[in-house]
Amino acid sequence: AQSVAQPEDQVNVAEGNPLTVKCTYSVSGNPYLFWYVQYPNRGLQFLLKYITGDNLVKGSYGFEAEFNKSQTSFHLKKPSALVSDSALYFCAVRALGNNNDMRFGAGTRLTVKP
Amino acid sequence: EAGVAQSPRYKIIEKRQSVAFWCNPISGHATLYWYQQILGQGPKLLIQFQNNGVVDDSQLPKDRFSAERLKGVDSTLKIQPAKLEDSAVYLCASSFQGASNEKLFFGSGTQLSVL
Repeated sequence: AQSVAQPEDQVNVAEGNPLTVKCTYSVSGNPYLFWYVQYPNRGLQFLLKYITGDNLVKGSYGFEAEFNKSQTSFHLKKPSALVSDSALYFCAVRALGNNNDMRFGAGTRLTVKP
Repeated sequence: EAGVAQSPRYKIIEKRQSVAFWCNPISGHATLYWYQQILGQGPKLLIQFQNNGVVDDSQLPKDRFSAERLKGVDSTLKIQPAKLEDSAVYLCASSFQGASNEKLFFGSGTQLSVL
């Protein structure tokens, strides 16, 4: 069965600095990888996904993520953080094939300070 | 386009009572999911429907939880009787066909507190 680990409960960065939110995964075969963001009292919003092809994936709000097969990682990055990026971020993995369960990590709370 | 609609937004009940949550997915989405998100954890799949059929309910506590999607559109999730450990946010999500490469669209969730 597939699983996701987000090793950091909390990430703090200063506004304007680059940010990284880490994610590692375990899945049989090739993975589909996703990042979602959750703002207070809201559902999860899709940021980006890796399906195949270029290892660097660009998504919403200036976020990007790099798929690294050898390290089984899919870290979320942004070159310059904004205070409005402060939220809860979830990494998720899904195995190939229809109707497979999307497994989420426990989430990382990102705080960007002015 | 309209998003995934859920109601109620909040619910407070006492243990052993029953509760029901409603979800209306994005129009045209064949696949509907119910997730349970306990505080400090990621969402956990409870049940997945493809149209009006159940695809995966392996993590649904069937002795107390039930769900239906009779006409293949909106869905209801019920808990009877509720336990303290059921306190969580219940998220509904939908996707177009349920393919593994599709993103999910989530509703705002129902926050349940069991006292």
